[in-house]
Amino acid sequence: GAGVSQSPSNKVTEKGKDVELRCDPISGHTALYWYRQSLGQGLEFLIYFQGNSAPDKSGLPSDRFSAERTGGSVSTLTIQRTQQEDSAVYLCASSRPMETQYFGPGTRLLVL
Amino acid sequence: KQEVTQIPAALSVPEGENLVLNCSFTDSAIYNLQWFRQDPGKGLTSLLLIQSSQREQTSGRLNASLDKSSGRSTLYIAASQPGDSATYLCAVKRAGGFKTIFGAGTRLFVKA
Repeated sequence: GAGVSQSPSNKVTEKGKDVELRCDPISGHTALYWYRQSLGQGLEFLIYFQGNSAPDKSGLPSDRFSAERTGGSVSTLTIQRTQQEDSAVYLCASSRPMETQYFGPGTRLLVL
Repeated sequence: KQEVTQIPAALSVPEGENLVLNCSFTDSAIYNLQWFRQDPGKGLTSLLLIQSSQREQTSGRLNASLDKSSGRSTLYIAASQPGDSATYLCAVKRAGGFKTIFGAGTRLFVKA
């Protein structure tokens, strides 16, 4: 079946602009994760959604970052007033609860 | 606070060699531990998932072990091939939560 998809695959923006990153999880997966991977760094947890429960937002680095998940499926990660340090690869993963996470190809964000 | 460390950071071996990648974590209260592979410019692919009650998992030429009490896991790759060249990431999911903490990875290069 189809895997996790993310769009856009690449995004170049100017400092101060807002960006939206989209994740389409695997059908039937109720858990959805967002991570950030900066150059040469490991993955940094950002936010976790599970069904209709309140999301775990403990990894969001600042209030410029927010995410929502509509209808328990598609998720959007929004970064407001982007800064150069936001440049990274943003990865989305989905899973059945507490099972193996399946990752999308990521969105490469470059803030100029 | 859970910290995950992977040693070595990089490894270069000749084809056919058996090798071991190491992962250590500071908090033994984990739900599971997962090994992933990441190819350049790509997302992550799950290799092996070990539940906290398990000691090891095997898939083909890969074997992963888990020693919770000492906070260690190893990924053993037998008869390495050039196609094994990638970055290998270790990830720990804490008990009673959803947050997954990743190590910085080991970059493996297998020479033909």
